[in-house]
Amino acid sequence: GQNIDQPTEMTATEGAIVQINCTYQTSGFNGLFWYQQHAGEAPTFLSYNVLDGLEEKGRFSSFLSRSKGYSYLLLKELQMKDSASYLCAVRDLGKLIFGQGTELSVKP
Amino acid sequence: DARVTQTPRHKVTEMGQEVTMRCQPILGHNTVFWYRQTMMQGLELLAYFRNRAPLDDSGMPKDRFSAEMPDATLATLKIQPSEPRDSAVYFCASGPLSGGSYEQYFGPGTRLTVT
Repeated sequence: GQNIDQPTEMTATEGAIVQINCTYQTSGFNGLFWYQQHAGEAPTFLSYNVLDGLEEKGRFSSFLSRSKGYSYLLLKELQMKDSASYLCAVRDLGKLIFGQGTELSVKP
Repeated sequence: DARVTQTPRHKVTEMGQEVTMRCQPILGHNTVFWYRQTMMQGLELLAYFRNRAPLDDSGMPKDRFSAEMPDATLATLKIQPSEPRDSAVYFCASGPLSGGSYEQYFGPGTRLTVT
């Protein structure tokens, strides 16, 4: 079966660092994606990992361990506008399987 | 600035009516996806096309839903007859088949309410 787990919600303080974890068990694996979705809007692409290790892109970094079926998204120097849902998705044979998303609230 | 477009953005209809949602993928993208998002189920894949051919529609209730790509610039998702449980946001996404991360670009969605 296909299973992707992420925490339902997280709260963090403006200026801080937050790590959102994702574990997955899927029949196939061709890469892991992170998407950001603000309320009432479409998901937007943040990052992609296909090999083990850390990918850094500005304030956002994403890590993958294929042997552990584990990824995390790291957000640094949090801003209020980072309050959103963060979706972990595994690519399997060309299609994306999404987790339920983690609702992140950034407080002043 | 290339974008996926979807129409209509909002649709309110009565149970039993036919609903047609349209999507224009980004020019040059040869994969198209239809998703449904609800609070309870999250983002679910309904159908997936590659080069206009349907590859996977296992997530779609086939008795009432149908998805087609009459040409490379138009994808449609139809519900007939619609039911209240179909109320959701329907997203279309497109992506390239080659060139790197294969990320999908989402349209703004169609918010469907069936009363």
